[in-house]
Formats: sequence, structure tokens, C-alpha cells
Amino acid sequence: QKEVEQNSGPLSVPEGAIASLNCTYSDRGSQSFFWYRQYSGKSPELIMFIYSNGDKEDGRFTAQLNKASQYVSLLIRDSQPSDSATYLCAFLAAGNKLTFGGGTRVLVKP
Amino acid sequence: SAVISQKPSRDICQRGTSLTIQCQVDSQVTMMFWYRQQPGQSLTLIATANQGSEATYESGFVIDKFPISRPNLTFSTLTVSNMSPEDSSIYLCSVPGRGEKLFFGSGTQLSVL
Repeated sequence: QKEVEQNSGPLSVPEGAIASLNCTYSDRGSQSFFWYRQYSGKSPELIMFIYSNGDKEDGRFTAQLNKASQYVSLLIRDSQPSDSATYLCAFLAAGNKLTFGGGTRVLVKP
Repeated sequence: SAVISQKPSRDICQRGTSLTIQCQVDSQVTMMFWYRQQPGQSLTLIATANQGSEATYESGFVIDKFPISRPNLTFSTLTVSNMSPEDSSIYLCSVPGRGEKLFFGSGTQLSVL
């Protein structure tokens, strides 16, 4: 079993709609979770982090964490073509090492 | 977040040669991390570079293939040695920020012919 599982996509979303991305992780001891956005040919950019169960909102982004279900999600509201990218889920594993999922490719269509 | 400068941004190399990638940070950091991203794949940690000690390598990565230097708290290099086409990847250095966040340099796109 992979440590971090993400649907590779592509997730096709109409402009203005909500994009919903999901991620499951295997390490029950993980406390810190991150979402990175990576445009093609660019390096990953941190867009959200969440440490506690529940929701965390930042602008058009909402991260949701459920530690009991080992599940973290990212919602992108009012999706824009500029949101088209690959979104990487990551968690902090033992030894303070960030472990990444395979990423979900999002395509926002005008 | 720290400003992380990485160079070269890209290179095309011949099989059997070596390439050294440099990573410069605008502030002192205890740990620096080197990641590899193979085409269409996610990020895999190669090693952790600590100043004043040997780098710590992840399973599947060895010092002879990926020697790392960390001469001070703002600089590190990763060398990809005796390259083969399978080494064609993006190589990224990263540093931790506040609250366990990790920030990345701009990356080095390596193509090996």
C-alpha cells in the first residue's frame, strides 16, 4: 500500500465550479498535512496546510482533515483556468520527512 | 518563506558524465532536502543534507551516485554521477520553514542522452 494515495485524474472542472480533490494516507501517527500546487515545468508551491481535524479555509481553498478516516481533501471554489495544475498531497512522516502522493491533475475548462 | 536559488535550471548531459546542482538559501537553515521528480511522477526524497555531518540517504539512493556537500548553513550541492538516461528528472532542493512547512527551489531539469 502506498503511503499517500491520490486519484491521478485528470479532474475536469467547468470554470466557476468547485473542484474536489481527495487524499488518503497510511501513517496514523501523522499530524501535519499539506497541499502543494505544481504547474507544468515548475516546482511545487505550498497552498494549504492543516494540522487539526475539521476544515481550514484560505481564500478559495478549503482543506478538510479527518484523522480517524486518514483522509484529507482540498476544495477549490469558483475554479479558474489558472487553477489548472497538478495538486500534490503530502504528510509529515517519521524523521520530519515530507512524503508526497502522486498528485491529481486538474483541468479547469472555460 | 526563504528565497531558494537553484542552478542550473536545466541541462542536457551525456551518458557517463556528472552534473553538480547548486542550491543557495537567503537565510541559515539547519536541514536542506534534495528531491527527485521523474517524468510524470511525484517527488521522492533523495537525502537530507545537514551542515557539518554526512548526508542521510533514503532507501534506494547511495552516496557514490548522489554525493552531497553542505559546507555552510545557506548552501548545498547535489552531484548526479555517472549519469544514465534513467537519471533524467527534475531535481529539487527544499528547506523547512515555520510550522514544518517545506519550500522548494525552482528545480533543475536534467536530460541525459
